[in-house]
Amino acid sequence: DAGVTQSPTHLIKTRGQQVTLRCSPKSGHDTVSWYQQALGQGPQFIFQYYEEEERQRGNFPDRFSGHQFPNYSSELNVNALLLGDSALYLCASSLDRGISDTQYFGPGTRLTVL
Amino acid sequence: AQSVSQHNHHVILSEAASLELGCNYSYGGTVNLFWYVQYPGQHLQLLLKYFSGDPLVKGIKGFEAEFIKSKFSFNLRKPSVQWSDTAEYFCAVGSGGSYIPTFGRGTSLIVHP
Repeated sequence: DAGVTQSPTHLIKTRGQQVTLRCSPKSGHDTVSWYQQALGQGPQFIFQYYEEEERQRGNFPDRFSGHQFPNYSSELNVNALLLGDSALYLCASSLDRGISDTQYFGPGTRLTVL
Repeated sequence: AQSVSQHNHHVILSEAASLELGCNYSYGGTVNLFWYVQYPGQHLQLLLKYFSGDPLVKGIKGFEAEFIKSKFSFNLRKPSVQWSDTAEYFCAVGSGGSYIPTFGRGTSLIVHP
């Protein structure tokens, strides 16, 4: 049973560019949440997708957007990249918005903005 | 907005020593509490969680945590650590019935053999 997978593993972009990160949830899970983890900090919640809609959102600007596909996989898009967007981006999947199940985290995508 | 404080950023212990990692949160209402662990080179994974019931929660690998509502705390304990417990530990709190956790900044634990 495959766990949560994310791609790519690492990514280098320059300021102003746009980036798309991808996540496949654990088999059977219908909810995907995205987190940003800056160096030396805990993960910060960006948003959660359930039934292909954004259900909850953390304190992140509109430059951060996402999508969930019918197969429950998800994308995180970041526009107009800033140096401060450099971080590890984690995807977590769960069942039923996490109400009845634990969140399972993927390995993350390391984004570096130059 | 609620906050989660982990007081010890770095802890160094010898094998067989006892461990207690502190976690305090600011939210006064109903909370859901979590401890996550990240072993070197591995994914973040759940150690234990508290939603309701017995405030002493037992998790994997011999860890336990106690929810003390009056102190807004959820400290993690293990009576005897092993070298394999070397990892980053994160406390997280979901408030107001939310299962979306707010994470603390983490505690780096190094256990010397």
